[in-house]
Amino acid sequence: SQTIHQWPATLVQPVGSPLSLECTVEGTSNPNLYWYRQAAGRGLQLLFYSVGIGQISSEVPQNLSASRPQDRQFILSSKKLLLSDSGFYLCAWRPGQSLNEKLFFGSGTQLSVL
Amino acid sequence: GDSVTQMEGPVTLSEEAFLTINCTYTATGYPSLFWYVQYPGEGLQLLLKATKADDKGSNKGFEATYRKETTSFHLEKGSVQVSDSAVYFCALSDRDTDKLIFGTGTRLQVFP
Repeated sequence: SQTIHQWPATLVQPVGSPLSLECTVEGTSNPNLYWYRQAAGRGLQLLFYSVGIGQISSEVPQNLSASRPQDRQFILSSKKLLLSDSGFYLCAWRPGQSLNEKLFFGSGTQLSVL
Repeated sequence: GDSVTQMEGPVTLSEEAFLTINCTYTATGYPSLFWYVQYPGEGLQLLLKATKADDKGSNKGFEATYRKETTSFHLEKGSVQVSDSAVYFCALSDRDTDKLIFGTGTRLQVFP
């Protein structure tokens, strides 16, 4: 069966520090991968998505970047965090080329930038 | 670009009342449409979906019909329960780009 792992669950970082959040999927190949940020009053905002290794589409220009070094690995990064980067980050996947399929979400990372 | 607009919450209802949560979308093609639900303390889960015009998705007493002419996918339930209290997200899946866009969510509070 397929599983998605996202870590860490919580993270407290000072302003200006770097960030790396990792997400891996098991039990499937060539998934579509997504990074979302969930903030109160702003719903679920799509940050990045990827349909294949090295293929990253950015939805919101900002202080973050994403990479997909392996088929089932999706990394969210920042070189210097801002206060406004605080939020709840969710990784998600669904089968590639299956646009009608539902998303499977990771358990999320609560990031607090102080 | 693609977008989803949902009615602002919270929506506050008494048990057994009729529920409508409005959702409209903007898309260049013919997207698939979804409703996701997030119960308190839990992750998002798919509630229902529709993949083409005039399709009706249904689950747990909830229904939504894909209306191409009004670009809408309103969520309805005839008689809500306290256990339906949650945040509901409307979403679309762009067929050309594979991206999945969510609305801002609507919080539903049902009181006994």
